[in-house]
Amino acid sequence: EAGVVQSPRYKIIEKKQPVAFWCNPISGHNTLYWYRQNLGQGPELLIRYENEEAVDDSQLPKDRFSAERLKGVDSTLKIQPAELGDSAVYLCASSLSRTGGVEQYFGPGTRLTVT
Amino acid sequence: LAKTTQPISMDSYEGQEVNITCSHNNIATNDYITWYQQFPSQGPRFIIQGYKTKVTNEVASLFIPADRKSSTLSLPRVSLSDTAVYYCLVGLRKSSARQLTFGSGTQLTVLP
Repeated sequence: EAGVVQSPRYKIIEKKQPVAFWCNPISGHNTLYWYRQNLGQGPELLIRYENEEAVDDSQLPKDRFSAERLKGVDSTLKIQPAELGDSAVYLCASSLSRTGGVEQYFGPGTRLTVT
Repeated sequence: LAKTTQPISMDSYEGQEVNITCSHNNIATNDYITWYQQFPSQGPRFIIQGYKTKVTNEVASLFIPADRKSSTLSLPRVSLSDTAVYYCLVGLRKSSARQLTFGSGTQLTVLP
């Protein structure tokens, strides 16, 4: 079974430019998460989707970040415009909706460098 | 909100058993305890999850006392490849984003 797929794996952009990350979750996983991980820290949850609905985006910086999950499968996270402080690894994870606990499956992440 | 506390780092030698403890004094009645492992340049990997007492799978055991205010991840006979950061996460799939944000984890270094 294929795992969570993310692209690109690496991205270097200049500040003020836009950037987008793509995620394809594990087939059948209705819950999708986007995390940001800064160097030396644990992942911070930005947004959680149940199917196509964003049910918790309380930690998403909405002035420059946006996300969508059309048709309840693939998802895209966008930053516009990017700032130097956005340099981090952006992780996507998915889980089965029928599970109560936090058994998530993570992709390899996209390492973003803003210069 | 169940905040977790773990040791920042631990060292061990190959072949030893390693126990990493996580404190979560404010755990809610329905919360699960989940442990992840993360290698450099990879996303976290699910290791084990439990609600109470003891859970064992092919890679680890999880011990949870009756009051559930802490949990211990036990890795039997570690090898060099177990060197990684280990995170404990407390909550539910539907917990808030703030609760599902990972702490700083425990850096385990296995020495030859």
